[in-house]
Amino acid sequence: SAVISQKPSRDICQRGTSLTIQCQVDSQVTMMFWYRQQPGQSLTLIATANQGSEATYESGFVIDKFPISRPNLTFSTLTVSNMSPEDSSIYLCSVSDGKTQYFGPGTRLLVL
Amino acid sequence: QKEVEQDPGPLSVPEGAIVSLNCTYSNSAFQYFMWYRQYSRKGPELLMYTYSSGNKEDGRFTAQVDKSSKYISLFIRDSQPSDSATYLCAMSKGVNNQGGKLIFGQGTELSVKP
Repeated sequence: SAVISQKPSRDICQRGTSLTIQCQVDSQVTMMFWYRQQPGQSLTLIATANQGSEATYESGFVIDKFPISRPNLTFSTLTVSNMSPEDSSIYLCSVSDGKTQYFGPGTRLLVL
Repeated sequence: QKEVEQDPGPLSVPEGAIVSLNCTYSNSAFQYFMWYRQYSRKGPELLMYTYSSGNKEDGRFTAQVDKSSKYISLFIRDSQPSDSATYLCAMSKGVNNQGGKLIFGQGTELSVKP
């Protein structure tokens, strides 16, 4: 399976600001995914990011709030814009091997 | 009603016990079933992957899928304190970009006491 790293591992931010989370994979992958895991909740898919095309967002998530970049086959970023305390969560990127998905360590975000 | 239901626990067992973790689902289109283990402050780690109905065994872990009942299980034999984690079930309709969207259960928190 691919080795996935995320930066930052955690951050504390003020409301109204934005944070960009980076996801790096040690091999080329076609599909990358961004999830949110809120306290006591299951993982929720935010969007699917394929290289060379616009990200596909799930219901309830919009590009203005969560812009995503996918400049190449090993890297993606997720920005959480104009943050509010409700955005406090763990953000996870994952990659697919064509059958299932493998996850990064996550970014723990606290918005004050 | 959620597409995937999983008892959040917490579940506490003594070391050496057999652990049974379960999920039910409502969408009969799900074909691929997974169990992930998530340690505190870590990302989910894939434990088991099964397609359609049947059993799959890997060491102390056995995954069962009963599509007729829309019910999946993960059994852990001879449980160890190192098995203490949150276990998440996940499932999807297919493996391509559109059909491969994973739907997760809420996760069951397991604690194995020495």
